[in-house]
Amino acid sequence: GENVEQHPSTLSVQEGDSAVIKCTYSDSASNYFPWYKQELGKRPQLIIDIRSNVGEKKDQRIAVTLNKTAKHFSLHITETQPEDSAVYFCAASRGTSYGKLTFGQGTILTVHP
Amino acid sequence: GAGVSQSPSNKVTEKGKDVELRCDPISGHTALYWYRQSLGQGLEFLIYFQGNSAPDKSGLPSDRFSAERTGGSVSTLTIQRTQQEDSAVYLCASSSRQGITEAFFGQGTRLTVV
Repeated sequence: GENVEQHPSTLSVQEGDSAVIKCTYSDSASNYFPWYKQELGKRPQLIIDIRSNVGEKKDQRIAVTLNKTAKHFSLHITETQPEDSAVYFCAASRGTSYGKLTFGQGTILTVHP
Repeated sequence: GAGVSQSPSNKVTEKGKDVELRCDPISGHTALYWYRQSLGQGLEFLIYFQGNSAPDKSGLPSDRFSAERTGGSVSTLTIQRTQQEDSAVYLCASSSRQGITEAFFGQGTRLTVV
């Protein structure tokens, strides 16, 4: 089955800096890669996703890049703000007849004012 | 409903008792997941239902855990003879078609075994 590794487990940055979280996956058939943000005491929520026919996707201060050859994808947050502090999870799925989402272990991001 | 609904939101039970946790997915969603999240930890996969296919039970930690999904909609996660290590937040999620669209999470059930 799919295995998703996420790094780093914790990340601390100063407000205004950029933050990068990286994930690798094992199943070359995976073609859907979402990122979820979980604030303290709340449910995980989708912030951005990318599909295998796209190499990069941006949404304001958030971007995701995908390298299918190397089987890794990354989340980039620019101009970080204290409200970006949360746990971030990457995930991967085949998106075919049996597209179970497999999550990474999570990254605790802390943005210091 | 507008989102994934889980009940109860909190459950305190005595060690050795059985508990049932309920998940109402978004109407029409064919995929349903159960995850467990201990304090400060990641999302531990438990079980995955997809339409009429046999569920993927590979994440269930022991035979005390079971889940069913009736009529392709509501799901119940049952934990028999609860242990203190079962204490965690149990999250349910659903998505509209297989795994290629957004999975929406419920608010979770916080289970405390005393």
